[in-house]
Amino acid sequence: DAKTTQPNSMESNEEEPVHLPCNHSTISGTDYIHWYRQLPSQGPEYVIHGLTSNVNNRMASLAIAEDRKSSTLILHRATLRDAAVYYCILRYYGGSQGNLIFGKGTKLSVKP
Amino acid sequence: NAGVMQNPRHLVRRRGQEARLRCSPMKGHSHVYWYRQLPEEGLKFMVYLQKENIIDESGMPKERFSAEFPKEGPSILRIQQVVRGDSAAYFCASSPMDRGMNTEAFFGQGTRLTVV
Repeated sequence: DAKTTQPNSMESNEEEPVHLPCNHSTISGTDYIHWYRQLPSQGPEYVIHGLTSNVNNRMASLAIAEDRKSSTLILHRATLRDAAVYYCILRYYGGSQGNLIFGKGTKLSVKP
Repeated sequence: NAGVMQNPRHLVRRRGQEARLRCSPMKGHSHVYWYRQLPEEGLKFMVYLQKENIIDESGMPKERFSAEFPKEGPSILRIQQVVRGDSAAYFCASSPMDRGMNTEAFFGQGTRLTVV
């Protein structure tokens, strides 16, 4: 399985932007980049995903490097509710839905 | 459209008993995934199922654990002869059928199994 590398933890101030990096140097052409987050005592929650182009949705933006070996999840204005563990995952797409293999993720703390 | 429903939310079993965890995927979803999360650890993939088929069970322990996703009804994760080390949160996720694009998975709130 392709692997991702993320910082163990990051801190942010409330209402400031947050950039969460992810390295995936062994990504293949059939891997999508997915981001999920897990709030304390809850199940993981989908955030965003993309293949090659940058993506935006109501929760976040995903910036993907041109060589696809890294990506950055951008929370435009962090709130206290965004404190969670964020997982960057490569999901194989080969004609059927692939597995989601979680790494250790980045624990984001948001200070008021 | 109800989300992924897991029940029970909390389950207590004595050592040696059987634990049955249920997962009802979102309506129209035919792919189900099970994960286990030990306290203070990450999510470990266990098994990936489609209706009536096991697609990938590479994360399932070889003994005591089994999973099914029948044509009708919820997906079931069964743990026989539970031991204290099985105490964990078990999460289920579902995805819709492949329609030519990679889609997100939706997770349930989990079942917290405690073995006493």
